[in-house]
Parts: sequence; C-alpha cells; structure tokens
Amino acid sequence: SQTIHQWPATLVQPVGSPLSLECTVEGTSNPNLYWYRQAAGRGLQLLFYSVGIGQISSEVPQNLSASRPQDRQFILSSKKLLLSDSGFYLCAWSRGATNTGELFFGEGSRLTVL
Amino acid sequence: KNQVEQSPQSLIILEGKNCTLQCNYTVSPFSNLRWYKQDTGRGPVSLTIMTFSENTKSNGRYTATLDADTKQSSLHITASQLSDSASYICVVNTGGFKTIFGAGTRLFVKA
Repeated sequence: SQTIHQWPATLVQPVGSPLSLECTVEGTSNPNLYWYRQAAGRGLQLLFYSVGIGQISSEVPQNLSASRPQDRQFILSSKKLLLSDSGFYLCAWSRGATNTGELFFGEGSRLTVL
Repeated sequence: KNQVEQSPQSLIILEGKNCTLQCNYTVSPFSNLRWYKQDTGRGPVSLTIMTFSENTKSNGRYTATLDADTKQSSLHITASQLSDSASYICVVNTGGFKTIFGAGTRLFVKA
C-alpha cells in the first residue's frame, strides 16, 4: 500500500529564518507530487506541483521554492520566511500522467512565523 | 473565473440527525468533482468522486449528488455520528493540474 509522510508536523520560526519541509511517498513510482497551503477559512491553494524528478511547476509567485531530488521526495523551502508564510502546508500525491485522479494527502505541517 | 463555493460555512447538528452540504461551482472545463473529509489538523481524505454523467453516488452514510446542468453538488450525511465532525471540502478538477478547492463546510456533531 502507498503511504505519504510529511515532516515536521509543527514548527515555529522567526521572520527571516529559512524553512525546509520534507515529504516522501512510499509504495508507488513516478507519482505526481504537490505542495498546498491552507489558510483558515479558505480553500487549499496549490503552490507547486511536479510530474518528475527535477520538474517543478509554480502556481503562485511567492517567497517559497520546491525541489524534487528523488522520484518520491518533495521538499518545500524558503531562504527567508515572512509573517505571511504562516499556515498549514499539505503535501499530496496522485497517480498517473494526468491529474484526474484522487489526491492523497500527508498529515500536514503547521508553520507559525513570529 | 474558476470558483467553488460551499454552503453553509459551518453547521451544528445533533448526533443521529441528517444533514446536507452544498457546493456550487463555476469551473470549466469540468473533469470530475470530489468530496473530501478533513479532520482537524489532518490532511483531507476523499469520500466520493462524481464524473459528468453521474447523478448520485453513495459511500456508506455519505451520498453525493451532481447536477452538471446547474453546476451544483451536494453531500448528504445520514444518521450522523460524532466522528463525522470535520470539514467537508468540495473539489473540482479541470482535467489538468488545475484543481479548484472550495473553502469547506465545518460540521460539528453534538451528542
């Protein structure tokens, strides 16, 4: 069976500090990978998606970047966090060459920037 | 503009009662519509998927409907349980990597 792991679960960071959130998927190969951000009372916002190693598409200009160094590893980073980066970050994966399939989400990472 | 709007924003019901959550969308093109359940502090989990030709689909006590003409969907929960307390998110996929999420309905089931 497939599993998705995301960490850390929670973190509190000062403004201007770097960020690294990591996500790994097990039990499948060549998944589509996604990073979403969820703000309170709003729908999930797609930040980045990847269809393969080293292939990253950005949906929203921001202070964040993503990398996919391995087939089943997806990393969300920032060099200098802003207050507005606070939120609930979700990693997800889906099967196949298209995105008509189900999204499988990780447990999420709660980021608070102070 | 592609949008998914859900109502109500929040809902409180007594255990054992039924409820219906609404989803209106203005998304084109349309590939499918899913309802996800998100427990507090967790990632969403898919409940049902509806394609253009499907009107009704059930998953246990959850029944989803889709009216592709009016671009409306509903999620009906029968005989609610305390564990149904969660956010329910309507998600419309356009067939590419554009997946439009509603803001969700927060359901509270009280004993």
